[in-house]
Amino acid sequence: EVQLLESGGGLVQPGGSLRLSCAASGSTSSSYAINWVRQAPGKGLEWVSAISGTGSSTNYADSVKGRFTISRDNSKNKVYLQMNSLRAEDTAVYYCAKDRRVAWMPDVLDIWGQGTMVTVSS
Amino acid sequence: EIVMTQSPATLSVSPGDRATLSCRASQSLSSNLAWFQQKPGQAPRLLIYGASTRATGIPARFSGSGSGTEFTLTISSLQSEDFAVYYCQQYNNWPLTFGQGTRLEIK
Repeated sequence: EVQLLESGGGLVQPGGSLRLSCAASGSTSSSYAINWVRQAPGKGLEWVSAISGTGSSTNYADSVKGRFTISRDNSKNKVYLQMNSLRAEDTAVYYCAKDRRVAWMPDVLDIWGQGTMVTVSS
Repeated sequence: EIVMTQSPATLSVSPGDRATLSCRASQSLSSNLAWFQQKPGQAPRLLIYGASTRATGIPARFSGSGSGTEFTLTISSLQSEDFAVYYCQQYNNWPLTFGQGTRLEIK
């Protein structure tokens, strides 16, 4: 079974940048799309971005479009979220989560990492 | 964007009783609806997908129903470990969207 582990969170000033990583284990992990979902303190879940198994297709929430970039390196079994021009409202726990199916399409997220905290504050 | 609305916001139920949680979509999802459970400090856990299919390892006391715009998660006999926050998620269209959550608390 695929397992996911996020890293890269921390404290960053408004306007700064941060890159999150999601390491996937499991022989078929590169076949599946990976998503980033965030959760502000005490709030609900917000989908942020997704990337297909090959990395050729991506999708973003309007709230991060133009500021965040998702990418993957299947040789390293890693997915990245480059976050630029960070704002206070980007403060959240960021989870990576795997699509249940292989096809590139909106899908249910069946396996989640434990999350990494991003705090944007001066 | 499809808006997901969950009700109630908080549900107080006694252990051993039945809990019924609702989720409404702003447009039809067919059966492209999932339910998650989240406990404090933990990642969400998939319970139900396809509106009514239990995920691997999920006990039979969890059941989902509905299609179109109205969906229900039922927990038939609440155990102590079931008290948590529950979210619905639609995967009919991009962007993926979640309900705001229902907190299930001990009465």
